[in-house]
Amino acid sequence: GQQLNQSPQSMFIQEGEDVSMNCTSSSIFNTWLWYKQDPGEGPVLLIALYKAGELTSNGRLTAQFGITRKDSFLNISASIPSDVGIYFCAGPNAGNNRKLIWGLGTSLAVNP
Amino acid sequence: GAGVSQSPSNKVTEKGKDVELRCDPISGHTALYWYRQSLGQGLEFLIYFQGNSAPDKSGLPSDRFSAERTGGSVSTLTIQRTQQEDSAVYLCASSPGQKTTDTQYFGPGTRLTVL
Repeated sequence: GQQLNQSPQSMFIQEGEDVSMNCTSSSIFNTWLWYKQDPGEGPVLLIALYKAGELTSNGRLTAQFGITRKDSFLNISASIPSDVGIYFCAGPNAGNNRKLIWGLGTSLAVNP
Repeated sequence: GAGVSQSPSNKVTEKGKDVELRCDPISGHTALYWYRQSLGQGLEFLIYFQGNSAPDKSGLPSDRFSAERTGGSVSTLTIQRTQQEDSAVYLCASSPGQKTTDTQYFGPGTRLTVL
């Protein structure tokens, strides 16, 4: 079945550093979604990508939809302590588009 | 507030007991999802409600799991004869439209611990 592989699994960085994480699949996805989950909370949508090659920004966050439609990356510039959390990529299941396929997440820790 | 709410926030139960988890979606949202998140794992789809259509139950892991959505609003996820492997955070999300890629708004989850 479809799977989304996220890397790295975890990151520990210094405040002010830039962060890059990615999401890959052996299957084509037509939409890529990036969510962030703060500790003890549900995930919150950060960026949605709908078109191959699309580059979208949301404040210090930038995400791109890979040309092959099999990958996406999320960058965070000038990290701050509140960036701490788990970042998930997700995309609709090709066989049942009522479901989202979720990656296992990239856990980010920021040292002030 | 106007967000998705879930209750209880934490539930500890003994193996073999039944539990009910409640979700209050955002008013007016037609779609409602239940997910399970085990420690260190991503989100596992359980069930999806859309308006008055029959729910998509394809993610329910066993017949011990069931869910209802009354009046197109509040939803209850019931787990019968709980097992230790049912321990997880159960997340509910709602979205305003019919597309899966519509933004899903999540509640804070119910942390279930089965002893």
